[in-house]
Amino acid sequence: QKEVEQDPGPLSVPEGAIVSLNCTYSNSAFQYFMWYRQYSRKGPELLMYTYSSGNKEDGRFTAQVDKSSKYISLFIRDSQPSDSATYLCAMGKSTNAGKSTFGDGTTLTVKP
Amino acid sequence: EAGVAQSPRYKIIEKRQSVAFWCNPISGHATLYWYQQILGQGPKLLIQFQNNGVVDDSQLPKDRFSAERLKGVDSTLKIQPAKLEDSAVYLCASRSQRDRVPYEQYFGPGTRLTVT
Repeated sequence: QKEVEQDPGPLSVPEGAIVSLNCTYSNSAFQYFMWYRQYSRKGPELLMYTYSSGNKEDGRFTAQVDKSSKYISLFIRDSQPSDSATYLCAMGKSTNAGKSTFGDGTTLTVKP
Repeated sequence: EAGVAQSPRYKIIEKRQSVAFWCNPISGHATLYWYQQILGQGPKLLIQFQNNGVVDDSQLPKDRFSAERLKGVDSTLKIQPAKLEDSAVYLCASRSQRDRVPYEQYFGPGTRLTVT
């Protein structure tokens, strides 16, 4: 069993929709929770990170972490065609800063 | 600030041949990572350097993969001999020790390797 499982997708939504992307994990030692966006033929770029539990908002993006359920989510409000990409969740422990374990990604297409 | 540079961008080789990838991290970034991303999967860490020392290479197939980071700047990842299952995108990332976010890694565009 993988340490990090991500909803596989693909996901296709109309422009303006609210998008929910989700990951579960099994290792309770994870303390850092990240979301990366990866456009086709590009490297991932960090969108948001959260330390421990709680919510974090940045513009149209909201990251949620529920450590009791070992479940994290990324919400995208008012989705735009430019949001079309693969979204990767990633997690890390406090004991080895920088070593991330990634999910397999969810590919999102936002149709105009 | 220039980003992480990688070359070549694409490489096609036959199985059992050797190949090398090059990475130039963001200036001043002490930590450098090599990841393997197979199509449809997330990046998998192969090796992590801190300056020119290896921090973690537990998932590097050492019978065929090697990596070095001379002088704590550029890095080279080599595969010899290549197998069909090595077909993937090889991503290099770097991080500054001064970043407050310990997991804020900056990725290069990757090298897409096809082994035939």
